[in-house]
Amino acid sequence: DAMVIQNPRYQVTQFGKPVTLSCSQTLNHNVMYWYQQKSSQAPKLLFHYYDKDFNNEADTPDNFQSRRPNTSFCFLDIRSPGLGDAAMYLCATSRDGTGNSNQPQHFGDGTRLSIL
Amino acid sequence: GQNIDQPTEMTATEGAIVQINCTYQTSGFNGLFWYQQHAGEAPTFLSYNVLDGLEEKGRFSSFLSRSKGYSYLLLKELQMKDSASYLCAVLDSNYQLIWGAGTKLIIKP
Repeated sequence: DAMVIQNPRYQVTQFGKPVTLSCSQTLNHNVMYWYQQKSSQAPKLLFHYYDKDFNNEADTPDNFQSRRPNTSFCFLDIRSPGLGDAAMYLCATSRDGTGNSNQPQHFGDGTRLSIL
Repeated sequence: GQNIDQPTEMTATEGAIVQINCTYQTSGFNGLFWYQQHAGEAPTFLSYNVLDGLEEKGRFSSFLSRSKGYSYLLLKELQMKDSASYLCAVLDSNYQLIWGAGTKLIIKP
């Protein structure tokens, strides 16, 4: 089945130790998003790619970086994780980002990041 | 600023009907989404409204009034598996999704 796949589901890292989260999609969607979601809060958009065009949200810390080497894959790099970065990280895709009824965002299962 | 308001938590009984409200103030409007999110899982798409009125999809219906900046999600014949958070999200004039914090729905037998 076509889908959005995130690996791993659970990730534990040490304070300050770089970590990379991965996302792949078989939907052939143009747009890929990375969200951070903390408990009982709305998903917070970190950045998104429209094809290879990178769009960073103004309040996304420099500690967060992203790479999209091809249409199917997107990575979230956290260079020096702090305790406040413990959260669920959600990857989503949409066909072209205009978000009409035929093009909702499709989410992966998320990666829950814990910081020791 | 942009703002989405929805109740934090609601409780309902199995088999009953529940209405989850959402009010929004955004810079522009290109549609409103409802997503369901079970604990520890990703959001899944439920509905999309861009015109005023009611959209019905099985046990779930979604209503929109653009003039009032208001939407609701109506769930009928509640089942225990409907226990989840329901997130309202609005697509603004820049086609950015503005998310509400979600309404946690608790279903009791």
